[in-house]
This record gives sequence, structure tokens and C-alpha cells, in this order.
Amino acid sequence: DAGVTQSPTHLIKTRGQHVTLRCSPISGHKSVSWYQQVLGQGPQFIFQYYEKEERGRGNFPDRFSARQFPNYSSELNVNALLLGDSALYLCASSLAPTYEQYFGPGTRLTVT
Amino acid sequence: AQSVTQLDSHVSVSEGTPVLLRCNYSSSYSPSLFWYVQHPNKGLQLLLKYTSAATLVKGINGFEAEFKKSETSFHLTKPSAHMSDAAEYFCVVSEDSYSGGGADGLTFGKGTHLIIQP
Repeated sequence: DAGVTQSPTHLIKTRGQHVTLRCSPISGHKSVSWYQQVLGQGPQFIFQYYEKEERGRGNFPDRFSARQFPNYSSELNVNALLLGDSALYLCASSLAPTYEQYFGPGTRLTVT
Repeated sequence: AQSVTQLDSHVSVSEGTPVLLRCNYSSSYSPSLFWYVQHPNKGLQLLLKYTSAATLVKGINGFEAEFKKSETSFHLTKPSAHMSDAAEYFCVVSEDSYSGGGADGLTFGKGTHLIIQP
């Protein structure tokens, strides 16, 4: 079975630009969560979506937003990029919010 | 609020010797605790989880961990290290009694880099 997939694998953006990251969950999973992993740190929770609704949000500014589509895939959007947004962005899917999360390989974002 | 402290940023052991990665947690409720492993350029993989059942938890690849409420610890061990165990290990806590982190997500420690010497 295919695992969680994320695209793109890598991308480079300039300060002030906008970026969209995409995630496809495991088939049958209805919940998607997003995490930010800065180099040398553990992942930090950004959002959780379930059945297309936001169910949880971490301590991130409003520049970060996300949505979930009817096919349960998800997008993470970041506006007005800052150098500090450079990180590995991880997507995790699960059957529902209280079930085990399965992580994708991540998208490496570099902001210059 | 929950938090996790991984007591060692780096651990180096020789192949064939025991591994001990230390983790202390703080939680207002009865937490779920996990260990995840991250190999370079690969996604996070769940090693094992504690969700209020047996306090000694066995995971994949010979790893196990013991939940000690009195010490608020959840240390990860393996009797004999293998070269393929070299990776980053994360101790993780969830406030709910399930595995998904709920509306607050999963809370990760800063990680322990495990180095295996030949």
C-alpha cells in the first residue's frame, strides 16, 4: 500500500513569497496533521484536519493556513515567508484524530 | 500542557552493546507516550507506544521501553545495537489516551542522535 506522499520534495523560496505544500494521505485515512521540523529540533504541531474541518491548531502565526479537500488530501499554505520558516514540513495521516499517525517523508523548504 | 525532555542530544555505543535513550515527560493527564525513529531522508517511523496498558512496551527491531509513572520516565532500550539503528530518535507525548494527539497534536522531544561505532 502507498504511504503518505508529499510534494514537492524540496523547494527554495525568497523572503516575502508564498508557498503551498501538498499531502496525500494513506487510502482510507480521513485525518491529516501538519508539523514543522526546524533543523536540529523535534517536529512541532501546526494543524490537524478531519473530515475537511480544522480540529486543532498549534502555536503558529496566521501566515500559516491549511485546508483539506473532499478526497482528504491537504494543502499547507504559508504567506510572507520569513527566513525562520526554513524547515522540513511533515504531513501525517490517520484514520481519525485519535488514531496512530503515519508520517510522510516531508517537504524541505529553504527560504533565502 | 504536556512536554518531553530527552536527556541526551547524542548517544554513542559500539555495535553489539546495549542502547539506552532517556526520556522524561510532563503531562496533566494520563498520557500516551511514543518513540519514533527518523532515518536520513526518510519519514518518521513509530517504534513503540504506551497507551495505559502494560508498562513494559515492546516495539519493532528489538526495542522496548518502560513507563514509570513515579519517575515520569519512558526510557528506550535495546539489548544489542546494530549498525542499522543509527538514526535520530524522538520521544513523544500525547495528552489523550489514544495515539493521534487529538486537537493538540503530538508533542515531540528535541531528539537523540544515536551513533553506532563498528
